[in-house]
Amino acid sequence: GQQLNQSPQSMFIQEGEDVSMNCTSSSIFNTWLWYKQDPGEGPVLLIALYKAGELTSNGRLTAQFGITRKDSFLNISASIPSDVGIYFCAAQGKNSGYSTLTFGKGTMLLVSP
Amino acid sequence: EAGVTQFPSHSVIEKGQTVTLRCDPISGHDNLYWYRRVMGKEIKFLLHFVKESKQDESGMPNNRFLAERTGGTYSTLKVQPAELEDSGVYFCASSAVTGGEQFFGPGTRLTVL
Repeated sequence: GQQLNQSPQSMFIQEGEDVSMNCTSSSIFNTWLWYKQDPGEGPVLLIALYKAGELTSNGRLTAQFGITRKDSFLNISASIPSDVGIYFCAAQGKNSGYSTLTFGKGTMLLVSP
Repeated sequence: EAGVTQFPSHSVIEKGQTVTLRCDPISGHDNLYWYRRVMGKEIKFLLHFVKESKQDESGMPNNRFLAERTGGTYSTLKVQPAELEDSGVYFCASSAVTGGEQFFGPGTRLTVL
């Protein structure tokens, strides 16, 4: 089946540092998404990318849809303690029915004040 | 507007028992999805309803899992009989249109002993 390889698995950083995480796949996708999950909650959509090469920002978050349509990255600038959580990449494409989501394994982010 | 709700939040059962999980989607959302995250793994798609019809059930692990959405409103996911490997967090998500943004519930954490 299709897989998204997400890295790093976890990160422990100091408040104020920038963070970068990425997802790669051997398959082509039409949409890349980044979610954040807080403890006890479900994933919440942060950024959606619909076009190869697209670079989108949402506050301190920036994400890009890779030009090959097989990868995406998420950057968080000037991290703060409330950025703590698990970040998931997800993608939609023809093989997943254009609606169902294929997820990466997640990146656990810990921020030290 | 109320988000996606799931019940129960936690369930601990013994191997061989039956458990039924419930999901109430956002009102008016025709699309309802079930996903599962086994510890340390990615969130995996189980199935997709459009109204009361199963659009895609390719992710259901085996015939011990039965999902229903009578009347096209709330959905139930029954596991009978439960096995140890069924432990994990079961997420429900809903979207207004197929391929649209999916809103996730907080999940049900199932532990099979």
